[in-house]
Amino acid sequence: GQNIDQPTEMTATEGAIVQINCTYQTSGFNGLFWYQQHAGEAPTFLSYNVLDGLEEKGRFSSFLSRSKGYSYLLLKELQMKDSASYLCAVRDKGSYIPTFGRGTSLIVHP
Amino acid sequence: EAQVTQNPRYLITVTGKKLTVTCSQNMNHEYMSWYRQDPGLGLRQIYYSMNVEVTDKGDVPEGYKVSRKEKRNFPLILESPSPNQTSLYFCASSLFRITGELFFGEGSRLTVL
Repeated sequence: GQNIDQPTEMTATEGAIVQINCTYQTSGFNGLFWYQQHAGEAPTFLSYNVLDGLEEKGRFSSFLSRSKGYSYLLLKELQMKDSASYLCAVRDKGSYIPTFGRGTSLIVHP
Repeated sequence: EAQVTQNPRYLITVTGKKLTVTCSQNMNHEYMSWYRQDPGLGLRQIYYSMNVEVTDKGDVPEGYKVSRKEKRNFPLILESPSPNQTSLYFCASSLFRITGELFFGEGSRLTVL
């Protein structure tokens, strides 16, 4: 199994940049996901990393370092609608099933 | 439209009264799964299915049953609900591929009195 750790809550200002970290311990690694979840809604897929490096998708980027067991989600030009919970999920080698961290609640204020 | 549909979306019931939460997907996905989400605990997997007639326990299966008689449907059954099963439930599905991102239903908020 995995042990996944991410901050419980973060706040940031509209227009700024915020980095949400996720650390994990796993016996084998087969991919890391980031999901966004607005309050009372379903999680939606943001990104997938399986190799080291940065994946950029518009205002959102995700970084992975497998040797450090570390990922971050970078949100640029923050908007109020980015206020949500961000879930890190890790998949073990040989498994199809991701395990979710407890999520980071991001509050964007004007 | 590609979607995962859960019903009911909201339900208040009493201890011991059997209930079923239905889940249906129209994307021909092999993999389906049920999660519960509780404050401070995140998403925890209840049961999952890799294909028709193949189901397995997740991290918190006690008090739940599932079946996968057809590829599109994956109902969650609470035979004798208890108050500790009050939670927000999500069904999810995905294709078996490199990324295999999950598509989630809109959630079912269950209260057991």
